[in-house]
Order: sequence, then structure tokens, then C-alpha cells
Amino acid sequence: DIVMTQTPLSLSATPGQPASISCKSSQSLLHSDGKTYLYWYLQKPGQSPQLLISEVSSRFSGVPDRFSGSGSGTDFTLKISRVEAEDVGVYYCMQAIHLNTFGGGTKVEI
Amino acid sequence: EVQLLESGGDLVQPGGSLRLSCAASGFTFTNYAMNWVRQAPGKGLEWVSFISGSGGTTYYADSVKGRFTISRDNSKNTLYLQMNSLRVEDTAVYYCARWDSWGQGTLVTVSS
Repeated sequence: DIVMTQTPLSLSATPGQPASISCKSSQSLLHSDGKTYLYWYLQKPGQSPQLLISEVSSRFSGVPDRFSGSGSGTDFTLKISRVEAEDVGVYYCMQAIHLNTFGGGTKVEI
Repeated sequence: EVQLLESGGDLVQPGGSLRLSCAASGFTFTNYAMNWVRQAPGKGLEWVSFISGSGGTTYYADSVKGRFTISRDNSKNTLYLQMNSLRVEDTAVYYCARWDSWGQGTLVTVSS
């Protein structure tokens, strides 16, 4: 099974300042079709998870451009260029190359 | 607008059974694979099961294999999760998910 490890566990962010979250997989997420199946989700307090980024770096419809994803193989990063109050919640990475596995989550607070 | 509406969550005793439903609307249901994901109280997300658009392919997490069955009725735009031999550790909010859209979840509590 693929293990997804997120760091940090929690993050105290400052509005207007950048923040980043790391996600490492135990196996490469690069598929033979050339795509890398790594997704990022945000679960705001009391809500269902919402998709932010698909396939490492593609922002989902309606996601602000302050969110960006990068990485390859087994190492990935989600960056928020300027944190806003509405960005609080728990961020999860998920691999989709072999079934699905979520990272443990990173709680972002202001 | 994509909408996913789960139902069927309840309080059930260990060893009992429950069937969850997820009513889909706003998209051509048969064109999309679907998943069940659960979240135990105060915990992270755990993928539970996958079903292809036709229903011909299914996968399960090891933690539920042999006890849970995923299915779908494309004529009714509905996804199901039949849960048997329920354990205390199955207590969670269960979400149906299309990966780019999630339902609001339904709470399953397994307790005596």
C-alpha cells in the first residue's frame, strides 16, 4: 500500500504571508500514461472536503490562484502565496495511482 | 450543478448491517466512477471503496473487504454501500465522492 506523509501536522499562518505544506509518497505517483496522480483537498471546519488541485498542479474550477501545487515522483508541495482567513481548515493530499490513500492532514490556523 | 446527497446513516449495534445511499444529480451519472470515503470522529479521511461508471469494477480498502459491498443503479442515479458485520471502528461520517465533488456525508455510529 502507498503511504502518504504530510508535514507539518499543523501550521499557524499569518494573513498575507505565504504558507506551504509537504506531502511525500512511499512510491512514485507517476503513471505510465505520463500523469502524476496527486490531489490536494481542503476541508473547512464543519464542511466536506473540497478539491483544490488535481494531478499535482492543476487548480480546480473556482480555486483562487494563490493556491499552487508542485512536485514530482514522490515529493509534492502545496503553496498558498498569501494566506487569507478563509483558508483555515485541514489540508489533505491524496494519491490515486493505486487505489486511493490520503495523507494524515495538515491543520492550518490563523 | 453537481449534487451528491447521502442518506441511510444510523446508530447500529456491533455485528449489524446498514445500507447507505447517495443520490446524484447535475451530471451524467453513468459516465463517472464513484467512491465512498469515511472520516472517524476527529480523524482524517479514509478511502473505503471504488466503483466504475458501469459498475463492473469495484475495489475495497482492506479494512472493509469482505464486509462492505459497493453498488450503483445508473437508472436511478444512485450509489450504494451495503455494510455488514459492522464494528465499533466503522463509526464515521461516510461521504460519497466523485473526487471533484463530495456529498455532505451521513453519520454511521456502531455502538452497543
